[in-house]
Amino acid sequence: EPEVTQTPSHQVTQMGQEVILRCVPISNHLYFYWYRQILGQKVEFLVSFYNNEISEKSEIFDDQFSVERPDGSNFTLKIRSTKLEDSAMYFCASFSQGYTEAFFGQGTRLTVV
Amino acid sequence: GESVGLHLPTLSVQEGDNSIINCAYSNSASDYFIWYKQESGKGPQFIIDIRSNMDKRQGQRVTVLLNKTVKHLSLQIAATQPGDSAVYFCAERGTGSARQLTFGSGTQLTVLP
Repeated sequence: EPEVTQTPSHQVTQMGQEVILRCVPISNHLYFYWYRQILGQKVEFLVSFYNNEISEKSEIFDDQFSVERPDGSNFTLKIRSTKLEDSAMYFCASFSQGYTEAFFGQGTRLTVV
Repeated sequence: GESVGLHLPTLSVQEGDNSIINCAYSNSASDYFIWYKQESGKGPQFIIDIRSNMDKRQGQRVTVLLNKTVKHLSLQIAATQPGDSAVYFCAERGTGSARQLTFGSGTQLTVLP
């Protein structure tokens, strides 16, 4: 069964450092997303990516965040200067089109110290 | 803004009983709804979906009901098993170009022996 894979599973970084979270979406999917989940809270939308560009972003996705799909396979989320409040689970998701579900990866737990 | 919310944060049921998890949504333009199950430390896992032109959809041991009049969604789990213990999220997909999902707050289901 196809799956979305994310690396690393856990990332610890110092405040102010840059981090890159990596995702390999399902190969024939067209829409790609990053979501965030702070411990014990709901899953929050960050950004969507379609046709090689950002199609929508939330208020959380400020200038410190960026996404790339550099090679048609990987999909990355970069946080330029991490803050303590960026500590959360980050999920990558993808879906093909139409009325189908989005598939989620297992997440990267980001801990900013 | 538009939001999806859940009525109850926790639900405990006896093994073998049926479970009902409820969700209220506020975006009348949403045309597709999904229930996800999330186990500790893992990404959301698809359970069942329903389009807005349907009232009911059944899967294996699960049924989703949609009441568009009162903007209410429910997930019924028959013969609840210990492996069903998890957090359950409803999610709605709007009709915007990004087609991202908006998640509710989640319900923690605990199955008692």
